[in-house]
Order: sequence, then C-alpha cells, then structure tokens
Amino acid sequence: KQEVTQIPAALSVPEGENLVLNCSFTDSAIYNLQWFRQDPGKGLTSLLLIQSSQREQTSGRLNASLDKSSGRSTLYIAASQPGDSATYLCAVNRGAQKLVFGQGTRLTINP
Amino acid sequence: NAGVTQTPKFRILKIGQSMTLQCAQDMNHNYMYWYRQDPGMGLKLIYYSVGAGITDKGEVPNGYNVSRSTTEDFPLRLELAAPSQTSVYFCASTHDANYGYTFGSGTRLTVV
Repeated sequence: KQEVTQIPAALSVPEGENLVLNCSFTDSAIYNLQWFRQDPGKGLTSLLLIQSSQREQTSGRLNASLDKSSGRSTLYIAASQPGDSATYLCAVNRGAQKLVFGQGTRLTINP
Repeated sequence: NAGVTQTPKFRILKIGQSMTLQCAQDMNHNYMYWYRQDPGMGLKLIYYSVGAGITDKGEVPNGYNVSRSTTEDFPLRLELAAPSQTSVYFCASTHDANYGYTFGSGTRLTVV
C-alpha cells in the first residue's frame, strides 16, 4: 500500500528565507507526483507536476525535485513571502490517475 | 472557465438524513474524483470515475454512492448520514497523467 509522509507537519520561518518541504513515499512505482497549495477554507491549487521520468520542475520561485529510487520529493521555495503562508500537500499518482496524499506541511512566513 | 464547481458550499445534516453533493466540470475531463479531508489530515479517495458510465471505489467508499451519467457531472450521494461523515468533501478532475488536477472549492458537511 502506498503511503505518503510529509515532514515537518508545521514550519514557521522569517520572510526572505529559502526553505525546503519534504515528501516521502513508500512505493517507487508511481506515474507522477504533484505538489498542491491549500489556503484555509479553500480548495487545492496545483503548483507543480513532476512525471516519473523527470528529476525536477520549476515555476517561478518554486522548484520541486523527484528521486523515485529513494522515494523522496522536495519543494524548494526561494525568497519566501508572507503570501506563501498556506498548507502544502504532496500527492503521488499510483495509477488510474488516483492520487495518494500526504498529511501536508502548514507553512507560516513571518513578516 | 468555471473549472470544477461544487454545490452546496456548506450543509448541516441530521443523523440518518440523505443528501447529494453536486460536482460539475466544464473541461471535458474524463477522470473525476471525490475526496474527503478530515481536520489536520490529507485527502482520502472515496470514489472515482474514468469516464461516463464507469465508477469505482476508492479508499473509503462505505456510506457513499456515486453515478456518472455524463462527462460533466459526478454527484456523490450520502444515504444515511452519520457523524463520522462530518468532513470537507472535494471533487476533482483531470485530463490524463500528463496534466495536473483541478479541484473544486469544497463542501463542508456537518452531521449532528
């Protein structure tokens, strides 16, 4: 059974810092991995999608990496801003486009 | 583009009542999903559909039913509401494995 774990559960950093969120998964047989952002009381917004054949994807200040063999992905946020405060979820696609989610990391950027 | 539209946004049910959560997408996606999110937890898959007329169970299907008569609509039915079904429900859709998911804004359901 595929399990996805995100550490830490919560993270608080001062504005301007670079930071890394971690995601690990137990079964390396995945199609792709996605990172989402969730604001309080809102739905999920897709940030980055990494196919199983890719090593990383970048969008603006965000960079996501994927190491299938070790079952790990990281989301790097450069020059953090208060507007980056949200919960970040990673999810792996294990077939039929079904996603298995981690519990999320609640990120707070302090001005 | 409307994307994925969920109704209602909020609902309070009494134990034993029934209701249908509506989900519609206008992107011609074949794949549609229902997830629930409990406080402090990730999302768990309830049911999914790979096309009109085809549905299958996810990780936590007990107490729910779905149908997919059209590409656009994927309603979720709760027949006998129980307090354990208090949660936030999200509908999502995608084109295929090369595309990201689009999520609706969610339905917050409380069963009392």
